[in-house]
Amino acid sequence: DIVMTQSPLSLPVTPGEPASISCRSSQSLLYSNGYNYFDWYVQKPGQSPQLLIYLGSSRASGVPDRFSGSGSGTDFTLEISRVEAEDVGVYYCMQALQIPYTFGQGTKLEIK
Amino acid sequence: EVQLVESGGGMVQPGGSLRLSCAASGFTFSSSWMSWVRQTPEKGLEWVANIKPDASEEYNVGSVKGRFTISRDNAKNFLYLQMNNLRAEDTAIYYCARLYLNAFDYWGQGTLVTVSS
Repeated sequence: DIVMTQSPLSLPVTPGEPASISCRSSQSLLYSNGYNYFDWYVQKPGQSPQLLIYLGSSRASGVPDRFSGSGSGTDFTLEISRVEAEDVGVYYCMQALQIPYTFGQGTKLEIK
Repeated sequence: EVQLVESGGGMVQPGGSLRLSCAASGFTFSSSWMSWVRQTPEKGLEWVANIKPDASEEYNVGSVKGRFTISRDNAKNFLYLQMNNLRAEDTAIYYCARLYLNAFDYWGQGTLVTVSS
């Protein structure tokens, strides 16, 4: 199975400041079509997970443009340009290249 | 508006069975890959199973092989997860989700399954 490793696991951020979460996979997620089969999700308190970024860098519908995804192969980054209070939650990465799909451990973003 | 509404969770003894249902609306269900994903505090999020739009292909995680079966009824817009021989480690919140471009773009609210004697 592909192992997904996130860092940091806890991320206290001051509102208005940027934030960055890293995710590393144990195998390359770059498919022959040029796409990385890699996604970012956020689970806000009391809610189901929701899709933020798919195919490595494409923002899902309705996701603010302060969120961006980058990276390729085995190393990926989620960046929030200016954190807002509503961004509190647990952020997960996931690989969808190979069955079984696997998730990272989650990064808990909290407001300082 | 896309809606995925799970039901069928509850408490069951080890070795027992449950069938989860997911009612889908607001999108073309019969053209969509669908999935089940579960979540526990200990293991986090875990993908469980996928099913192709026409149900001709199914995939699931190794820990549930031979025990869980994903299925669908495209006429009724329902997704199912038949869970047999349940174990304590199957205790989780189970979500149904639509799989689109290898991402779960819509999720239900989840249904809790507790396996305990």
